[in-house]
Amino acid sequence: SSELTQDPAVSVALGQTVRITCQGDSLRSYYASWYQQKPGQAPVLVIYGKNNRPSGIPDRFSGSSSGNTASLTITGAQAEDEADYYCNSRDSSGNQYVFGTGTKVTVL
Amino acid sequence: EVQLVESGGGLVKPGGSLRLSCAASGFTFSSYSMNWVRQAPGKGLEWVSSISSSSSYIYYADSVKGRFTISRDNAKNSLYLQMNSLRAEDTAVYYCARDLQGRTIALNWFDPWGQGTLVTVSS
Repeated sequence: SSELTQDPAVSVALGQTVRITCQGDSLRSYYASWYQQKPGQAPVLVIYGKNNRPSGIPDRFSGSSSGNTASLTITGAQAEDEADYYCNSRDSSGNQYVFGTGTKVTVL
Repeated sequence: EVQLVESGGGLVKPGGSLRLSCAASGFTFSSYSMNWVRQAPGKGLEWVSSISSSSSYIYYADSVKGRFTISRDNAKNSLYLQMNSLRAEDTAVYYCARDLQGRTIALNWFDPWGQGTLVTVSS
């Protein structure tokens, strides 16, 4: 099965920009989706596809991709953005899904 | 409001069985593929299984293949996960999530997610 690799943790100053990356071979064939998870809560979809935001997700969240890497960018990070973030896509077979290893975002 | 509510979690001994349920409301359940995703304590998300809208296509993670069975009852708007031969490493919060697909098969996403149900495998 495929793997999606993320940096374990990143920090960002309040109001600054942070980019979270997700690397994996399956991303050459399949788009990524991104999920935010706060402690004790279920994951919430924040970005899907090239750069699509569900209703209710602030426009400071954006996505991009190139080759085997997908990225989630938070422009003007807020205190409430402190959370774990996971990428997800189908695996290379197309029959299973795989989640990234997760990135903990700390807003300073 | 689109909503998913899991139930059926609890404490079970190694080797035991448990059946999880996920009740869907607020959307046409029979039109969507569905997934189970789990999260062990302090760990990341792990996809477990998916089932297509008519149950024609079913897939499992290698870690649960042969032990878990996913099913659905579209008349009851419900998704199930039968878990047999449970192991300590199956201890996790189990989430159900709706599977949405874009115009291309290369684009899928999970939305919404239920609140999760905790399964603890311990003697």
